[in-house]
Amino acid sequence: DTAVSQTPKYLVTQMGNDKSIKCEQNLGHDTMYWYKQDSKKFLKIMFSYNNKELIINETVPNRFSPKSPDKAHLNLHINSLELGDSAVYFCASSTPGTIYEQYFGPGTRLTVT
Amino acid sequence: AQSVTQLDSQVPVFEEAPVELRCNYSSSVSVYLFWYVQYPNQGLQLLLKYLSGSTLVKGINGFEAEFNKSQTSFHLRKPSVHISDTAEYFCAVMGAGSYQLTFGKGTKLSVIP
Repeated sequence: DTAVSQTPKYLVTQMGNDKSIKCEQNLGHDTMYWYKQDSKKFLKIMFSYNNKELIINETVPNRFSPKSPDKAHLNLHINSLELGDSAVYFCASSTPGTIYEQYFGPGTRLTVT
Repeated sequence: AQSVTQLDSQVPVFEEAPVELRCNYSSSVSVYLFWYVQYPNQGLQLLLKYLSGSTLVKGINGFEAEFNKSQTSFHLRKPSVHISDTAEYFCAVMGAGSYQLTFGKGTKLSVIP
């Protein structure tokens, strides 16, 4: 009964490849987020979707494209991967009733070689 | 825009000793404040939050924090730490009316037996 799940947990790939990370939440939340945690543990928001609509889009390269097929899913597709994309990517969710409490997934460690 | 400064990147402390992890923020609007904990190779978990009301907030695992508006601080404290408290701790701020969390760079708490 995992609240926020991500797949895969680890992803190792070569430069130039295209990859996707999937996120699903079973909490009934309507807002979902993607965060990037770099090698120094710094966390920065990338995107946020509310009811399948993009509401936050920080300065992220166009190679990153979030896709929200429904309120329970927010996937992250990355084109033409670069070495600098290596990081841990976290998905999170919240709802207006608990907007001040974001629930985080376990993270996906992406390594680009 | 908001920003968060965690004044210590690493804090070693002996088991059963008290600990304080310091956090200062800046914002031009009212804020909500949070502490999250990240155990090794895991996602983030909310420890406690300040939204309004009493400036002393209590969270899980025996942690508490005090909001000080004049000093723009939100320091985290625990009177007696356990080995299991070894983790990375993140202070975060959300501006009123915003969905967006801004994180500090984290403080690594190491509890020494």
